[in-house]
Amino acid sequence: GAVVSQHPSWVICKSGTSVKIECRSLDFQATTMFWYRQFPKQSLMLMATSNEGSKATYEQGVEKDKFLINHASLTLSTLTVTSAHPEDSSFYICSARTGSGEQYFGPGTRLTVT
Amino acid sequence: AQSVTQPDIHITVSEGASLELRCNYSYGATPYLFWYVQSPGQGLQLLLKYFSGDTLVQGIKGFEAEFKRSQSSFNLRKPSVHWSDAAEYFCAVAFNDYKLSFGAGTTVTVRA
Repeated sequence: GAVVSQHPSWVICKSGTSVKIECRSLDFQATTMFWYRQFPKQSLMLMATSNEGSKATYEQGVEKDKFLINHASLTLSTLTVTSAHPEDSSFYICSARTGSGEQYFGPGTRLTVT
Repeated sequence: AQSVTQPDIHITVSEGASLELRCNYSYGATPYLFWYVQSPGQGLQLLLKYFSGDTLVQGIKGFEAEFKRSQSSFNLRKPSVHWSDAAEYFCAVAFNDYKLSFGAGTTVTVRA
């Protein structure tokens, strides 16, 4: 099956700094990627839809200035958590959609803000 | 309110026994239906999906699910569980925009 990677897998940053998470589709082109957030022992919550070459669409309640999404190419989307605070600590997961509509998920990035 | 419900937070099952995970949805129209499995350190993996047609869907790893429109349900089953099936299972729905809405998840523990 298709492979989606995320980098880094785990990152620790200090409060007030920004951190960038990359999501790559390794063997297919993805015009659409999705970003999810998962709290411990909880479900995934869709944060935003990332479309190549256009602005991301954010779900209600997600701060677009806090979570910057860039989909620069058909194989790469990035999520930048700006001015991170401890409450932003979470597990961030991306998925990439194939032309046939299937979604493949990355392994996730654990962000810890100290 | 539109929602996906997985009533069972945690299920413990003996190895070799059967497993059934429940999923109900509440939407005006019938959505696309999915089951995913999440193992520690790994990304979500699609077990099976239902878009239309035969209401009994076969998936990977010996799983199957049955769509019941009258009950708004899409329950996942496996006849004989293996220790490697211990994981978190998520039911999810989507419409034409492919934006997935997930249930809260069910943790499956397999005892020897």
